Amino acid sequence: EAQVTQNPRYLITVTGKKLTVTCSQNMNHEYMSWYRQDPGLGLRQIYYSMNVEVTDKGDVPEGYKVSRKEKRNFPLILESPSPNQTSLYFCASSRTSGTSGYNEQFFGPGTRLTVL
Amino acid sequence: KNQVEQSPQSLIILEGKNCTLQCNYTVSPFSNLRWYKQDTGRGPVSLTIMTFSENTKSNGRYTATLDADTKQSSLHITASQLSDSASYICVVSSGNTPLVFGKGTRLSVIA
Repeated sequence: EAQVTQNPRYLITVTGKKLTVTCSQNMNHEYMSWYRQDPGLGLRQIYYSMNVEVTDKGDVPEGYKVSRKEKRNFPLILESPSPNQTSLYFCASSRTSGTSGYNEQFFGPGTRLTVL
Repeated sequence: KNQVEQSPQSLIILEGKNCTLQCNYTVSPFSNLRWYKQDTGRGPVSLTIMTFSENTKSNGRYTATLDADTKQSSLHITASQLSDSASYICVVSSGNTPLVFGKGTRLSVIA
């Protein structure tokens, strides 16, 4: 089944404790992206990747890191989480760049992160 | 500044009734516009996509319209069902910059 998977789905952690949220897609998509979703603010892009070893900042990249060493995986790293990073996170992928054409973005199920 | 504004913020309707959600955008240049449905706690799922030359697109009981001149789109839901309760997000692509997301309309369908 074609899908985007994220792990963990739920995570409660404490300030400063490094964490990684994994994202994997099995559709051979070139483009992958991370979003956070907060009440009243909608989806905001954190980082995106046009292809392997190519990553760029989105609208809210501060406090996050990403890597794209292989096509299927795009982990999101919080080196020193803070309470303002408590949010619902979504990973998404599309066939090529998500910025044009009929490239539908497929979203993962989300990761609900709480930083105490 | 590229922006997507959706209205209303939230809406409550009775099962079986129709409703229309609005999306106004200032994104330029314009490539395409998508409507996504997001069930609570789940990722968004694409409903329809329209390019500049398309002014209506249907997907079952969902019909999206686009007026590229006034930069407005609407999503009409016919004969609503309880399962239509969700957030509906309008997303516009310019082709040159990252996607621009609206904040969504929260629809509640009640029996």
